[in-house]
Amino acid sequence: ETGVTQTPRHLVMGMTNKKSLKCEQHLGHNAMYWYKQSAKKPLELMFVYSLEERVENNSVPSRFSPECPNSSHLFLHLHTLQPEDSALYLCASSRSGGLYGYTFGSGTRLTVV
Amino acid sequence: GENVEQHPSTLSVQEGDSAVIKCTYSDSASNYFPWYKQELGKRPQLIIDIRSNVGEKKDQRIAVTLNKTAKHFSLHITETQPEDSAVYFCAAPYSGGGADGLTFGKGTHLIIQP
Repeated sequence: ETGVTQTPRHLVMGMTNKKSLKCEQHLGHNAMYWYKQSAKKPLELMFVYSLEERVENNSVPSRFSPECPNSSHLFLHLHTLQPEDSALYLCASSRSGGLYGYTFGSGTRLTVV
Repeated sequence: GENVEQHPSTLSVQEGDSAVIKCTYSDSASNYFPWYKQELGKRPQLIIDIRSNVGEKKDQRIAVTLNKTAKHFSLHITETQPEDSAVYFCAAPYSGGGADGLTFGKGTHLIIQP
């Protein structure tokens, strides 16, 4: 276990469902990230939280809603998704300051039907 | 935001030979350049990184070089072994130096031929 835990590992949801992805880190990091990984765009930045504030929102559709209640937890709330949103969603954490590498979680494999 | 280009998309080398993967970036303010290795079905893992105040960094069989003037950096793997087979990603800061968040290249699938 690398210290970044994502749940669930797999998720199948209909286009009208609402679900949430969870990420938890125990590394003492204070920056957390959501990435989308698909064959089309291998590692696409979605959201950046630094010191619990959202500092980047990379033009992500509003059907994805992040939440960072504290420096150890990060959520991605999903609603009315489209089939093209099917992908691996990766959470990562790092020390803040822009000069440190990430530790990734194992990801949530999302399928939208 | 930063734009990172990575080449080649696929690289096949004989076991024991060297492999080189190259990336270019667009923002001259970028100051941190990590490399990640992702094996099939696994999470990306940091293998080496370099900051803009140095030109080269080595860790056993892997090294990274940085040319700030040309805005490119490269990953070098020597004496390749079967366990080096994976997808390798380069990255640079999404919105310039000092900011959290990375933009990744599209990845290089490295195949080590026995």
